[in-house]
Amino acid sequence: DAGVTQSPTHLIKTRGQQVTLRCSPKSGHDTVSWYQQALGQGPQFIFQYYEEEERQRGNFPDRFSGHQFPNYSSELNVNALLLGDSALYLCASSTYRGGADTQYFGPGTRLTVL
Amino acid sequence: AQSVTQLDSQVPVFEEAPVELRCNYSSSVSVYLFWYVQYPNQGLQLLLKYLSGSTLVKGINGFEAEFNKSQTSFHLRKPSVHISDTAEYFCAVSPGGSYIPTFGRGTSLIVHP
Repeated sequence: DAGVTQSPTHLIKTRGQQVTLRCSPKSGHDTVSWYQQALGQGPQFIFQYYEEEERQRGNFPDRFSGHQFPNYSSELNVNALLLGDSALYLCASSTYRGGADTQYFGPGTRLTVL
Repeated sequence: AQSVTQLDSQVPVFEEAPVELRCNYSSSVSVYLFWYVQYPNQGLQLLLKYLSGSTLVKGINGFEAEFNKSQTSFHLRKPSVHISDTAEYFCAVSPGGSYIPTFGRGTSLIVHP
């Protein structure tokens, strides 16, 4: 079992650009959540996808959007990048009925905005 | 809404000494509680979780935590640490049955030889 995988590992963008991050969930999991972890902080919840729909959303602007595919993999898109978007973006997968206690995290994508 | 306070941003300790990492939470409903570990340049790994039942929870790598409802605390302990325990530790809380944990700011455990 490969666990949760994310790509790319690292990414450098400039202000105003757009970025897409990808996540493949752990086998048997149907729900994907995305978190932003700024340097020196704990992860903050962005949103969660289940059955290809956004189910819950944290306090993030509309510049942050996502998608879930029929195979349960997911993308996180960020438009009009700001310097403050520089962070580690973590994907976590779980089973929808299992809740937070079934959540497994991927290694993250480090985004640097210059 | 719930919140998590990790009282120490950094805890230095010598190898083979005991350690306690403190976590307090606030919530108006029953909660699930978690401790995660994050090694440098890696994602989060679940150490242990409290869902219900016994207030003493044992996890991986010799860690344990005790849920204290009256003090709204969930402190993490290990009787003897190793160099390899050096990492960032996060406490998290989610309302029972919810899918979205709220994380604390983390405690950096630094184990010296």
